[in-house]
Amino acid sequence: AQSVTQLDSQVPVFEEAPVELRCNYSSSVSVYLFWYVQYPNQGLQLLLKYLSGSTLVKGINGFEAEFNKSQTSFHLRKPSVHISDTAEYFCAVSRPNDYKLSFGAGTTVTVRA
Amino acid sequence: DGGITQSPKYLFRKEGQNVTLSCEQNLNHDAMYWYRQDPGQGLRLIYYSQIVNDFQKGDIAEGYSVSREKKESFPLTVTSAQKNPTAFYLCASGSRQGGSPLHFGNGTRLTVT
Repeated sequence: AQSVTQLDSQVPVFEEAPVELRCNYSSSVSVYLFWYVQYPNQGLQLLLKYLSGSTLVKGINGFEAEFNKSQTSFHLRKPSVHISDTAEYFCAVSRPNDYKLSFGAGTTVTVRA
Repeated sequence: DGGITQSPKYLFRKEGQNVTLSCEQNLNHDAMYWYRQDPGQGLRLIYYSQIVNDFQKGDIAEGYSVSREKKESFPLTVTSAQKNPTAFYLCASGSRQGGSPLHFGNGTRLTVT
């Protein structure tokens, strides 16, 4: 079975500063990787996904993530955050022959002016 | 607009009562899921269904029950056997293809006193 570890539970950051959210996964087979965002009292929205091909994936709202197979990582980055990026972010993984997702515990990003 | 509708948004019940959470989707997805979200624990899978009239237990199915009589609907019943039912419940749907992202509803916050 695959599992996901999000290395930071809380990330405070100033507006217009860069942010990186770390995600590591463990799996004995190749995986698909996802990042979701959750605003307060709402469901999750897909930010981006990696299935294959280029290891740098661009998503919505200026986010991007890089798949690193040797490090088994899929870290999420944004070069300049806005107050509106304050939310909880979840990394998730699935296997090619199994469409169920396993989620990390989440990282809460708080952007301050 | 296609999407997933969860109702109600907030639900209050007395201990010992069963309660049913509604989830409807018009995305024509075969697969539907129920997740429970608690602070710091990410999303944990309760039940999932790949097709009408079929469903499987997830990681924390004890104290919950589901039905899938129609493709569009996947209601979740929280029974009195669930020891800690107070939580945020998220319904999701997706196609039965590896790599397909899940689409989430806006959740139901259940409080049991």
